[in-house]
Amino acid sequence: SYELTQPPSVSVSPGQTATITCSGDKVGDKYLWWYQQKPGQSPVLVIYEDTKRPSGIPERFSGSNSGNTATLTISGTQAMDEADYYCQAWDSSTAVFGTGTKVTVL
Amino acid sequence: QLQLQESGPGLVKPSETLSLTCTVSGGSITSSTYYWGWIRQPPGKGLEWIGSMYYSGSAYYNPSLKSRVTISVDTSKNQFSLKLRSVTAADTALYYCARMGHSYAYYFDYWGQGTLVTVSS
Repeated sequence: SYELTQPPSVSVSPGQTATITCSGDKVGDKYLWWYQQKPGQSPVLVIYEDTKRPSGIPERFSGSNSGNTATLTISGTQAMDEADYYCQAWDSSTAVFGTGTKVTVL
Repeated sequence: QLQLQESGPGLVKPSETLSLTCTVSGGSITSSTYYWGWIRQPPGKGLEWIGSMYYSGSAYYNPSLKSRVTISVDTSKNQFSLKLRSVTAADTALYYCARMGHSYAYYFDYWGQGTLVTVSS
């Protein structure tokens, strides 16, 4: 079965850039979605189709996907961005979520 | 605004069947192109997709759970349901219902608030 691997945690200072990776075999050949989950809340879509932002999502969120790694970048990270982030792909008629990354804003 | 709300028992005994219902409001469950699915999250862990169904009955299931899962849709009530058989403590989780949309591939754009199900005697 297909797997998507993320680093368990990423720490960033306010105003700096947070980079969250999502690794999988030839993930660049697939479309990827990213979700943000704050404590006690349901996941929210922050990036779709690798690079696009849904309405209402700040411009500081961006995505890329190539080769075996997809990346979610948060530029000018704010305290409100502290959350768990999950990537998601569709493979062989199955939805696959990444292992998740906890972003801590120090 | 589309809203989804899970309901069902919060406690299930081992070996029994977990049953949950998701009520959809603010939109029709028969909307074209959308599937309706279930995702779970064990306490302190990540997200695991369980399965999704189109209102006509077409379905996708997680291979690791397929043998124990049934998802059904009730268009008259604008609801869909999950049944997970022969549960164990490993099935203890926060269960979310979600709308699964499609553009190049499937993704989840609307989520319920989740309902915690504990498997314990």
